[in-house]
Amino acid sequence: RKEVEQDPGPFNVPEGATVAFNCTYSNSASQSFFWYRQDCRKEPKLLMSVYSSGNEDGRFTAQLNRASQYISLLIRDSKLSDSATYLCVVFREGKLIFGQGTELSVKP
Amino acid sequence: NAGVTQTPKFRILKIGQSMTLQCTQDMNHNYMYWYRQDPGMGLKLIYYSVGAGITDKGEVPNGYNVSRSTTEDFPLRLELAAPSQTSVYFCASSYRASGSYEQYFGPGTRLTVT
Repeated sequence: RKEVEQDPGPFNVPEGATVAFNCTYSNSASQSFFWYRQDCRKEPKLLMSVYSSGNEDGRFTAQLNRASQYISLLIRDSKLSDSATYLCVVFREGKLIFGQGTELSVKP
Repeated sequence: NAGVTQTPKFRILKIGQSMTLQCTQDMNHNYMYWYRQDPGMGLKLIYYSVGAGITDKGEVPNGYNVSRSTTEDFPLRLELAAPSQTSVYFCASSYRASGSYEQYFGPGTRLTVT
């Protein structure tokens, strides 16, 4: 079993849609949690950190449930520019551990 | 501000050849990392370094070697290239190995071994 697992995707949604990504992690010692964004054939970039209290950055909302070892990312009012692969990432013992990513394609 | 730079961008190797992937950062970061990403997969840690002269293995170190003689540079050496090493290689750096510090990635090196 992978340590970080994400929805397999791809997600194909129209502009303006709301889309949610789910992620689970297996090691309860995981310390910090993130969503990274990776555009096609480019390097990953930090989208946002994820906190237990939930946090929002514009159209993006991230949630963490430590008891269920579950992380989510909600994107509201999707834009064409949101098309990318979203990577769920946990930090444990000094290292980042990446999920396999969920691809999002936003269509006009 | 260059950030993390990697060379080359693309490379085709024949089985058994060797090469060095270069990585340089200009942010004075202590921590540097090498990852590989296979198609449709997440990134896997190959090696990392917590400072000049100190390196350690990650999840998938076999077939690779690293050195860290300066803060800025962290080259990755492939000896006796194999088709299984066909992948995209990303170098990254961070100020510290803490969840509070963002890792910055280079643009990647796309390697094909045939």
